[in-house]
Amino acid sequence: DQQVKQNSPSLSVQEGRISILNCDYTNSMFDYFLWYKKYPAEGPTFLISISSIKDKNEDGRFTVFLNKSAKHLSLHIVPSQPGDSAVYFCVASAGGGTSYGKLTFGQGTILTVHP
Amino acid sequence: DADVTQTPRNRITKTGKRIMLECSQTKGHDRMYWYRQDPGLGLRLIYYSFDVKDINKGEISDGYSVSRQAQAKFSLSLESAIPNQTALYFCASRDGPRDTQYFGPGTRLTVL
Repeated sequence: DQQVKQNSPSLSVQEGRISILNCDYTNSMFDYFLWYKKYPAEGPTFLISISSIKDKNEDGRFTVFLNKSAKHLSLHIVPSQPGDSAVYFCVASAGGGTSYGKLTFGQGTILTVHP
Repeated sequence: DADVTQTPRNRITKTGKRIMLECSQTKGHDRMYWYRQDPGLGLRLIYYSFDVKDINKGEISDGYSVSRQAQAKFSLSLESAIPNQTALYFCASRDGPRDTQYFGPGTRLTVL
């Protein structure tokens, strides 16, 4: 059962334009969400996160939006650059006193930014 | 130098062989993790450890075992490798449950 879903396996965008990566989740216990980026032959690296008490978090060119009622989040990259070409993982975590901070990963979306 | 290192980076083995994947981290983190990545499935948790004496199964631990030799070292073993264990394996570490998880570069394992 895929609790975190990224329904678009790939996305192609022109340099300078906006990239929008989408993610849906099913587990209402998730209260912390992250995006990780992965280049070939490297491990995933943390990009940006958002707590469920917020609906937006911004860091430079990257903004994550959370819609809890729809169980949906999105990552916006503006402007997109060729160096942003990578696999992007949507990741969710459930808090709570006994939680070990387990991360649940989506399938990933391959972003290609064309010059 | 990388904070989380994995050895080997690539391994080809035969069905039934025992193999060990090793992970070391220099960040002084107590928590360490092993994941596998399969095409179209994202990363799934195999085992995790909160400290040297605390090791726990993740969602797909069958066929795997781990050893936490020291705070900095966490090894994953396949006692008798099978072809469906062919995957990309990642080790990770973090400080606390909400802290950033740092991943190693991965080990590509092929079981023939």
